[in-house]
Amino acid sequence: EAGVTQSPTHLIKTRGQQVTLRCSPISGHTSVYWYQQALGLGLQFLLWYDEGEERNRGNFPPRFSGRQFPNYSSELNVNALELEDSALYLCASSLIGWYEQYFGPGTRLTVT
Amino acid sequence: QKEVEQNSGPLSVPEGAIASLNCTYSDRGSQSFFWYRQYSGKSPELIMSIYSNGDKEDGRFTAQLNKASQYVSLLIRDSQPSDSATYLCAVVQAGTALIFGKGTTLSVSS
Repeated sequence: EAGVTQSPTHLIKTRGQQVTLRCSPISGHTSVYWYQQALGLGLQFLLWYDEGEERNRGNFPPRFSGRQFPNYSSELNVNALELEDSALYLCASSLIGWYEQYFGPGTRLTVT
Repeated sequence: QKEVEQNSGPLSVPEGAIASLNCTYSDRGSQSFFWYRQYSGKSPELIMSIYSNGDKEDGRFTAQLNKASQYVSLLIRDSQPSDSATYLCAVVQAGTALIFGKGTTLSVSS
C-alpha cells in the first residue's frame, strides 16, 4: 500500500513570494492534516481537512491556507512568505478524524 | 493551548537495556495518545497508539497510559543502536488538534 506522498521535496523561495505544496493521502483515508516543523519549535498543527472541508486550523495567520480536492488530495498555500516560514512542512492522513495519522516525507521550504 | 511536555534528553542507554521515555499532558479531556519516532532529517513514523489506561505492548515497545496522572510513557526493551532517534509524544486535544511534545532524543550505544 502506498504511503502519503508530498511534492515537491525541496523548495527555495524569496521573501514575499507565494508557494503551493501538495499532498496525496493513503488510499481510503479521508482526513488530511498539515503541520509545520521549524527548527527549535517542534511540530505545530496547521490545518485539518476532512471530506473536502476545512475542519480546524492551528494558530497560524490567514496567509496559510489550503484546500482538499474530491479525491482527498490536498494543497497548502502560503502567501507573502516570510523568513520564519522556513521549515519542514509535513502532511499526514488518517482513516477518520484524529485517528492514527501517517506522515508523508515532507517538503523542505527555505525562504531567503 | 494545552501542552504536552517531554524531557528533551538526550537519554543515553547501552545496547540491550530498557529505554524509558515519559510524557505529561495538560488537557484532562484527552482520549487518544500516540508515540512517533523521527530520525534526523526524516518525517515522524507512528510506532504506538494507546486509548485506555494501562499497558499496550507491540514487540519491543510498550506504551503505558495513566489518565488520572495525565501521564504517558514508552518503554523500549532490548534497545538497539537503530532505535537512536527522537521520540515524539502526541495527544489529541478536544478532538480538534494533535498536539506534539518537542521530543526526547534517545541514543543507544553499542
